[in-house]
Amino acid sequence: AQKITQTQPGMFVQEKEAVTLDCTYDTSDQSYGLFWYKQPSSGEMIFLIYQGSYDEQNATEGRYSLNFQKARKSANLVISASQLGDSAMYFCAMRERDGSGNTGKLIFGQGTTLQVKP
Amino acid sequence: KAGVTQTPRYLIKTRGQQVTLSCSPISGHRSVSWYQQTPGQGLQFLFEYFSETQRNKGNFPGRFSGRQFSNSRSEMNVSTLELGDSALYLCASSLVPEGGGYGYTFGSGTRLTVV
Repeated sequence: AQKITQTQPGMFVQEKEAVTLDCTYDTSDQSYGLFWYKQPSSGEMIFLIYQGSYDEQNATEGRYSLNFQKARKSANLVISASQLGDSAMYFCAMRERDGSGNTGKLIFGQGTTLQVKP
Repeated sequence: KAGVTQTPRYLIKTRGQQVTLSCSPISGHRSVSWYQQTPGQGLQFLFEYFSETQRNKGNFPGRFSGRQFSNSRSEMNVSTLELGDSALYLCASSLVPEGGGYGYTFGSGTRLTVV
């Protein structure tokens, strides 16, 4: 069974500094997709970044980058130059596969609450 | 471009009642999935629909049901509400079920409180 583990329940970072949020995953599939989402207190889940298992380059989107280490099964999110608006819950997720291929089901980790200090 | 719209935003129901939640996906998106989020269990998958067909169902009792209409709008229904059904219900849409590099776009959710 596929599983996502986020071991940091909460983290603090100083404004303008970089922060890394950890995510490890477990799957026996060769083809898989990994996602990071941000959830502010309003509740909406905001898509940040995607990494496919066959992508050779680490994904980047603005201040977000994904440190993908396939052999270690880790997909850490790096936020550069933290801003006060980055304070939120962050979720790592994996798209589940079944016998017939990819599904539209995401398996989420427990999340990491990030607080940015001024 | 309008995002994913979930209605209502907040709902208070009494135990034993039933509730219907609505989700309108982004225009052109044909895949809709639903998740339940609670502090204890985190985010759990409920259903996935594509072109009016349920492709996957999560491990929830039969009191939870859903459907998708020809315009891709989706509804989920919970009958005989229990206190434990209090949660944030999130809907996500995508062009295709696999999501891919575009990810899944979530709505703001419906916060259901059962009293």
